[in-house]
Amino acid sequence: EADIYQTPRYLVIGTGKKITLECSQTMGHDKMYWYQQDPGMELHLIHYSYGVNSTEKGDLSSESTVSRIRTEHFPLTLESARPSHTSQYLCASRRWTEAFFGQGTRLTVV
Amino acid sequence: GQQVMQIPQYQHVQEGEDFTTYCNSSTTLSNIQWYKQRPGGHPVFLIQLVKSGEVKKQKRLTFQFGEAKKNSSLHITATQTTDVGTYFCAGVYNNNDMRFGAGTRLTVKP
Repeated sequence: EADIYQTPRYLVIGTGKKITLECSQTMGHDKMYWYQQDPGMELHLIHYSYGVNSTEKGDLSSESTVSRIRTEHFPLTLESARPSHTSQYLCASRRWTEAFFGQGTRLTVV
Repeated sequence: GQQVMQIPQYQHVQEGEDFTTYCNSSTTLSNIQWYKQRPGGHPVFLIQLVKSGEVKKQKRLTFQFGEAKKNSSLHITATQTTDVGTYFCAGVYNNNDMRFGAGTRLTVKP
């Protein structure tokens, strides 16, 4: 079983709020990723990191920020939530091969 | 940005028929990975291909990586109902950036 955790699992929040989605892994993986996925659809890369103090933008990065101060922690912040942000957010980590995914955060913005 | 195209989007087969999904990248990949996602779940790693022209088999599943390291395929022989799910390829660029294809949703009629 992979040791990667996301909190919260479910979140309902009002438009305009600032939110942070948490992701932690205990495997010592250097690479971490955030993806947005609507049910059964494509995974869109939001941000990724290949080590402490390194972050890179993906395709959906314009409305969010990430930080990587510690190897095990890779939080994603939405500065101002909008209904278009309603989706599932998946965090993943890997070293050389297999990416392990967290259980996801299902976000609803009302 | 980097992009991986995957076709078809959907595939409906009769149990016992074969199934193939294809991925293509416009630029050379470091490696390509394949994942399976069941409804309500997160992607689960199947395999990684690294070498040009590589072919790997897992029971009824055959994975191929193109000579130019830009395309890949997954072929399932004699599908079973347990094969149902969405199959994603994930292209890895420069060993860090990992982009998923749109996925192929497989349904199997008993």
